Amino acid sequence: AQSVTQLGSHVSVSEGALVLLRCNYSSSVPPYLFWYVQYPNQGLQLLLKYTSAATLVKGINGFEAEFKKSETSFHLTKPSAHMSDAAEYFCAVSGVGNEKLTFGTGTRLTIIP
Amino acid sequence: KAGVTQTPRYLIKTRGQQVTLSCSPISGHRSVSWYQQTPGQGLQFLFEYFSETQRNKGNFPGRFSGRQFSNSRSEMNVSTLELGDSALYLCASSLATGNQETQYFGPGTRLLVL
Repeated sequence: AQSVTQLGSHVSVSEGALVLLRCNYSSSVPPYLFWYVQYPNQGLQLLLKYTSAATLVKGINGFEAEFKKSETSFHLTKPSAHMSDAAEYFCAVSGVGNEKLTFGTGTRLTIIP
Repeated sequence: KAGVTQTPRYLIKTRGQQVTLSCSPISGHRSVSWYQQTPGQGLQFLFEYFSETQRNKGNFPGRFSGRQFSNSRSEMNVSTLELGDSALYLCASSLATGNQETQYFGPGTRLLVL
């Protein structure tokens, strides 16, 4: 069985500040981990994906995430928030080969001007 | 390059009816996945098709089924609709190249069951 927990359904940060969105996973097998973003009135996009290669994964739009096995975490970060980052972010986990992809409940990110 | 297209965009059905949703992936993408998004349950994975074969399946009842055609277009069918099936159904197409995978989602089909 596998699951992800996203801490904080709503996160607000000031423009230019660090963005940190938290995700902890539970998996009985080595996981694949994902971050997705859904901008207002747009479809989902894959931000980045961890597949047991490098533990620090770089994604689109300046986002990155670090896989920490000891903490069972895969937090998403961006050094400096832009207004355009306002969106809903989903963490997800699967077994090897995208088996039974399981999503978190999402974190809505608000950027304060 | 055209994106992932889903038809219809909106649909209203009544309980007990069945519905078929269609997804056309990006040209060259052979993997198509389906997801259900609801306010209460969030995003849930339904199934994935690759080269006309179901490769993975989520935890949904047998009323939910799908198929993929030789041109990679995919359909999803829900029989005996229930009120709880009201949701946004998203389709995504994927292309894996070496260690890189890109995945693009369509705009979704919003289904309302009355």
